[in-house]
Amino acid sequence: DVKVTQSSRYLVKRTGEKVFLECVQDMDHENMFWYRQDPGLGLRLIYFSYDVKMKEKGDIPEGYSVSREKKERFSLILESASTNQTSMYLCASSRQGTSQPQHFGDGTRLSIL
Amino acid sequence: AQSVAQPEDQVNVAEGNPLTVKCTYSVSGNPYLFWYVQYPNRGLQFLLKYITGDNLVKGSYGFEAEFNKSQTSFHLKKPSALVSDSALYFCAVRDIGNTPLVFGKGTRLSVIA
Repeated sequence: DVKVTQSSRYLVKRTGEKVFLECVQDMDHENMFWYRQDPGLGLRLIYFSYDVKMKEKGDIPEGYSVSREKKERFSLILESASTNQTSMYLCASSRQGTSQPQHFGDGTRLSIL
Repeated sequence: AQSVAQPEDQVNVAEGNPLTVKCTYSVSGNPYLFWYVQYPNRGLQFLLKYITGDNLVKGSYGFEAEFNKSQTSFHLKKPSALVSDSALYFCAVRDIGNTPLVFGKGTRLSVIA
């Protein structure tokens, strides 16, 4: 089975802090994704990556950056956390190809105080 | 641009009754359609997908989905609902290429004993 592991299930940070969310997958998937999930808004794509050192902006990249130095690891960075970034963050990975499903981690519930 | 609509925020069904969770889509090419389930405080789990071929697709946990090209729909179904099916369900679509899935806003299914 595919395993996507997010480093923290719950995280509490303060406004202005630089926050790192880590995601690791163990299936040698080329693609990796970061979403945020908010009630009534569904899943919104923040950033994604098709390969090492590659990144593409999603629908809501403002206030975020990403890093993919190794194939198995995709990090989401909140440069200066703000209260409106309090959310559930979901990481996913997939093989390349139109028919491939995305596989998700269990999420990180981030609170910015 | 591709999009997905889940017209019902909430679906209630009695245990043992059949259930349907609705999804309609819009794409420019041929659709690749997916259903996911999310249990509380967990990530999304892949249930099933439609790529091509038979319009009735079978997936995990006894779920199936019917693809209808003329109505641009991909409704999720189960003949007999269980209380344990209570969860949040997401429909997703991709048309061509190695692109991220686009998700609907989700439908909360409650199965009442």
